[in-house]
Amino acid sequence: SAVISQKPSRDICQRGTSLTIQCQVDSQVTMMFWYRQQPGQSLTLIATANQGSEATYESGFVIDKFPISRPNLTFSTLTVSNMSPEDSSIYLCSVGGRQGVHEQYFGPGTRLTVT
Amino acid sequence: AQSVTQLGSHVSVSEGALVLLRCNYSSSVPPYLFWYVQYPNQGLQLLLKYTSAATLVKGINGFEAEFKKSETSFHLTKPSAHMSDAAEYFCAVRNAGGTSYGKLTFGQGTILTVHP
Repeated sequence: SAVISQKPSRDICQRGTSLTIQCQVDSQVTMMFWYRQQPGQSLTLIATANQGSEATYESGFVIDKFPISRPNLTFSTLTVSNMSPEDSSIYLCSVGGRQGVHEQYFGPGTRLTVT
Repeated sequence: AQSVTQLGSHVSVSEGALVLLRCNYSSSVPPYLFWYVQYPNQGLQLLLKYTSAATLVKGINGFEAEFKKSETSFHLTKPSAHMSDAAEYFCAVRNAGGTSYGKLTFGQGTILTVHP
């Protein structure tokens, strides 16, 4: 398994501002994923972040709203831009894609509240 | 497209009773299937996985799940519930190829309550 940390663990932000969430892994991984979990809901994939290429966004998510960086094989950031109360969610990063490893391992999540 | 349906958003059992959480999947290719658990204010923890080896899969904390292709099911069970099992449980299926390679699709989750 991989040890994954996220910063910040939680934040309260004002409408219209932006927040950047960091995800750090203790080993090199090929694929990193960003999920959103809205209150009382399941997880929805925002995008897949691969090192050295543009992130791949799922339907309903756009780069202008959720820009992602993946500068190396152990780190990624997700920015939630121009926030509104509807962006209040838990944001989780996960890693996967190691040879022969089919599961994903998740970070502890970032709990975001937008007021 | 792949999908997962978890039957029952809430399941309540008594301590010591059997736990059964239901999961049915839809997949056009042989799937990889997973159960994750989420305790309050925490991330997701992998309970167990099916990756086309044995159809009966044993996981952590005494949980197990059986892959039944004919029923497209992957139900999670535990013979005797413990208070510490109270959490939300998610079933997930993984895309085996294509542009969404590696992507997990999650079910809606089942909240397990354990009564003393």
